Amino acid sequence: ELKVEQNPLFLSMQEGKNYTIYCNYSTTSDRLYWYRQDPGKSLESLFVLLSNGAVKQEGRLMASLDTKARLSTLHITAAVHDLSATYFCAVDPGYSGSGNTGKLIFGQGTTLQVKP
Amino acid sequence: KAGVTQTPRYLIKTRGQQVTLSCSPISGHRSVSWYQQTPGQGLQFLFEYFSETQRNKGNFPGRFSGRQFSNSRSEMNVSTLELGDSALYLCASSLGAEEKLFFGSGTQLSVL
Repeated sequence: ELKVEQNPLFLSMQEGKNYTIYCNYSTTSDRLYWYRQDPGKSLESLFVLLSNGAVKQEGRLMASLDTKARLSTLHITAAVHDLSATYFCAVDPGYSGSGNTGKLIFGQGTTLQVKP
Repeated sequence: KAGVTQTPRYLIKTRGQQVTLSCSPISGHRSVSWYQQTPGQGLQFLFEYFSETQRNKGNFPGRFSGRQFSNSRSEMNVSTLELGDSALYLCASSLGAEEKLFFGSGTQLSVL
């Protein structure tokens, strides 16, 4: 059974600091997603990582994928309060090259709290 | 263009009842998938439909069922509700060949 584990599960940090969220998964997959969820809201897509070594950046967030280590990281640079949210990584275990299967296995989520 | 629309936004039911949730995908999207989100179990995959066919199913009891119509709209049904079915139910759509899922705002179901 595919497992996706994130750590830490809760992160409280000061504005301006850097930190990294880790996402480990237990089976081979070349497709990994990062989502953000604000309280009471739905999931917002942040990044899609499609191959080993993929790196994507958007603002203060940068995501990378190491398929050999089955590890993805989400790095936060100079955090600001607006980044406070829960971040999920998710893996598509059934990607066959003809499109995603719609079946994602999610990590537990990392709740990020950025203090002014 | 309009996003994924889920109705109703909130539902309160009692044990033993059944419930139907609706999801309208983004125009042109043919894949619709459903997820259950609870504080204890997190986000769990329920099932996925593509062109009216169920392609994938998660590990949920048979009380959970779904269908997709020819216009790609999807419904999810839960029969004989249990207290543990209280959750946020999220629907997501994609083109099928697209690389990401677009999620709706969800239906918050409370079973009393």
